[in-house]
Amino acid sequence: AQKVTQAQTEISVVEKEDVTLDCVYETRDTTYYLFWYKQPPSGELVFLIRRNSFDEQNEISGRYSWNFQKSTSSFNFTITASQVVDSAVYFCALRLGEMKTSYDKVIFGPGTSLSVIP
Amino acid sequence: NAGVTQTPKFQVLKTGQSMTLQCAQDMNHEYMSWYRQDPGMGLRLIHYSVGAGITDQGEVPNGYNVSRSTTEDFPLRLLSAAPSQTSVYFCASSYSAAYQETQYFGPGTRLLVL
Repeated sequence: AQKVTQAQTEISVVEKEDVTLDCVYETRDTTYYLFWYKQPPSGELVFLIRRNSFDEQNEISGRYSWNFQKSTSSFNFTITASQVVDSAVYFCALRLGEMKTSYDKVIFGPGTSLSVIP
Repeated sequence: NAGVTQTPKFQVLKTGQSMTLQCAQDMNHEYMSWYRQDPGMGLRLIHYSVGAGITDQGEVPNGYNVSRSTTEDFPLRLLSAAPSQTSVYFCASSYSAAYQETQYFGPGTRLLVL
């Protein structure tokens, strides 16, 4: 069965602290994609990153970084020097296989609500 | 580009009423989908479309209908609203290139069924 777990329901940090959001996924497929989305208080989801199962290279984008480890089935997201504008709900998601054949197999985690306190 | 637009933003219905949630995208995306978001459950796929004239069911399709007569529009119909359909609904679209697809989400429609 496929599943995405985000064990942290809510996290609060003080501004400028680093914070890591955990994502653990389950799948038996060898081809899959992992995503992170941000949902700010305005409500719409914002795409942050996509990673395919064949690329374990970690990625850094400004204050954001992602650590993909197939050995532990994890795709963790770290925000460095957090800011109040980072306050949002963050979703990790898993999609299996190719888009045309598995569009319905996008599985979202329950989300982690991050509050950055000034 | 306006991206993905949804109307209305908020709606209150009585049990048994019907309504249509509108979704439109101006990016010429082939793929469009509807999700519902409930507390602690992430997003769950209701219906999706891989192109005009083609739709299919997602994870939670019961009580909802869709159609895709044009590339731009993908309305979601609630035939007879029930309190269990109280949720936030998101429409999304994406283009397809091998290993490069990305979903763009609309701002959401908050629906309350009394």
